[in-house]
Amino acid sequence: GEDVEQSLFLSVREGDSSVINCTYTDSSSTYLYWYKQEPGAGLQLLTYIFSNMDMKQDQRLTVLLNKKDKHLSLRIADTQTGDSAIYFCAESNFGNEKLTFGTGTRLTIIP
Amino acid sequence: GAVVSQHPSWVICKSGTSVKIECRSLDFQATTMFWYRQFPKQSLMLMATSNEGSKATYEQGVEKDKFLINHASLTLSTLTVTSAHPEDSSFYICSATVGSRQRTEAFFGQGTRLTVV
Repeated sequence: GEDVEQSLFLSVREGDSSVINCTYTDSSSTYLYWYKQEPGAGLQLLTYIFSNMDMKQDQRLTVLLNKKDKHLSLRIADTQTGDSAIYFCAESNFGNEKLTFGTGTRLTIIP
Repeated sequence: GAVVSQHPSWVICKSGTSVKIECRSLDFQATTMFWYRQFPKQSLMLMATSNEGSKATYEQGVEKDKFLINHASLTLSTLTVTSAHPEDSSFYICSATVGSRQRTEAFFGQGTRLTVV
């Protein structure tokens, strides 16, 4: 079945850029997503990218997709304390509403 | 974006009792809702896919008699944890999808923290 992997932890100084990485195995993935989960809360969709794109930028967020290597990254510029959360990447296939989530990366901001 | 409301946000129950968790799409109709379970410091594990008017599809290893899912309307799905035990204590999250078949857009409830004592 599909497999989505992320590193578990990332610590970044306030004001620096954070880069969260994700790898996936399903070559038929159509859309890839980044979700944010704050403590004790549900998931909030941050951004997504279609598989025929290699980059998408949305304010402080930049998503890079290397389809050949099945590697997805999320860059958060000028990281703030409010960015502390767990970040999940997820993938879906065309015509399938089911999402497969990565293991989540806990982002900690160092003052 | 669309809003999904989950209720209750937290619940404590005694071992052996049943607990019902509701998931509502407030401003859209959701033909498909998903129920996830999240263990501490772990990812979301899909438990089942709930389709309005039909039986839920459970993932491998999830006991359908223990986790009863009902999706009676296009805006409401319920998960009932029957005869709860301490090992059922977890964070349960629902999501509802909207949009075309081309792209899944999933909106998540705020989650329900279940503690069985």
